[in-house]
Formats: sequence, C-alpha cells, structure tokens
Amino acid sequence: EDQVTQSPEALRLQEGESSSLNCSYTVSGLRGLFWYRQDPGKGPEFLFTLYSAGEEKEKERLKATLTKKESFLHITAPKPEDSATYLCAVRASGGSNYKLTFGKGTLLTVNP
Amino acid sequence: DGGITQSPKYLFRKEGQNVTLSCEQNLNHDAMYWYRQDPGQGLRLIYYSQIVNDFQKGDIAEGYSVSREKKESFPLTVTSAQKNPTAFYLCASSIDSQRPQHFGDGTRLSIL
Repeated sequence: EDQVTQSPEALRLQEGESSSLNCSYTVSGLRGLFWYRQDPGKGPEFLFTLYSAGEEKEKERLKATLTKKESFLHITAPKPEDSATYLCAVRASGGSNYKLTFGKGTLLTVNP
Repeated sequence: DGGITQSPKYLFRKEGQNVTLSCEQNLNHDAMYWYRQDPGQGLRLIYYSQIVNDFQKGDIAEGYSVSREKKESFPLTVTSAQKNPTAFYLCASSIDSQRPQHFGDGTRLSIL
C-alpha cells in the first residue's frame, strides 16, 4: 500500500528563518510527487511536480527536491504570507495510476 | 477566469436526506475527482471520472454517488447511507489522469 508521511506536523518560524519540510514516501513505482499549499477554508493550490530522484523545482522562496525515498520543501527567508498547510502527494504506477495518495500535511506558521 | 467552482460553500444535511454538491470547471479538463478531507487526515479519493459518462470508485465511495453527463460538470450526491458525512469536500480536475490536479475551494458539509 502506498504511504506518505509528512514531518513535522506543525512548524513555527520567525520571518526570515529558513527551514525545510519533509515528505517521506513508500510507493510501488513513483509516477510523480506533488506539493500543494492549502490556506484555511480553501482548496489546495498546486506548487510543484517532481518525477525523478535528483530533480529540483523552484518558485519564489520555495524549492522542492526529490530523492528515492523522500522529498523536501525548502523555504528560504519566509514571510508571514507563506503561512499555510503544505501537502505532499504521490502517484504510483499500476492500475490506479490516476490516484494521488496524500500525506496529512505540515502546518507552517511564520511570525513577523 | 478559468477555474473550478464548487457550490454551495456551506451545506447542512438532515437525517435521511440526500444532498448534492456541485462542481463545475471551465478549464476544458477531461479528468475530474472528488475528495474528502477530515481533520488530521490526508485527502481521500471518493470518485474519479476520466471522460463523460464514465467514472470509477475511489477508496471511500460507499454512501456517495456521482454523474458525468457533461465534460464541465461532476456533481457528487451524499446519500443517507453515508453515516458520517460531516467533512470538507474538494473537487479537482486535470488535463488528463497523469497531469497535476487543480482544486476548487470546497464545500463544507455538516449535519443538522
């Protein structure tokens, strides 16, 4: 069974204090790892897709990296507006390859 | 603006009542999805549709039904057989089953 574990569950940073969120996964043949941002009461907003180990994607203060067992979302010099829940999901190969398996998310709070 | 529209934003269900959640997209996406989000849990797939008049059960389809009569629309009915319907329901769509999924802003369903 595909599994996604995100850590920490919650992270509190000061503005400008860089850090990383972790997404560990167990999947039978990775066909994509996805990062989303979710604000309270809203739907998830797509950030990145990573497909193979060693791949990196960047967007403003966010950088996502991928290894064979985990992905990191690095946040450089965060601002209060980066506060949100960050979700990680994987797509596996096989018959249900349309399906995403989601982690429980990391709640990030950035204090001014 | 292209996007995914879910309505209503809040919905209340009485005992024994069926309720229908609306999801409309103008992104010309073929694939559409329904997820359920509960506190402390990852998103779970209820139903998936790859094309018009075709849909497949996800991990938690019991007590739910869907239709896909038009490419743009994928309504979800929560039936009286769903004994624990209180949750945040998210609709998503993607160009095809292999591309990133994009989400609407959800419907919060509660029991009266």
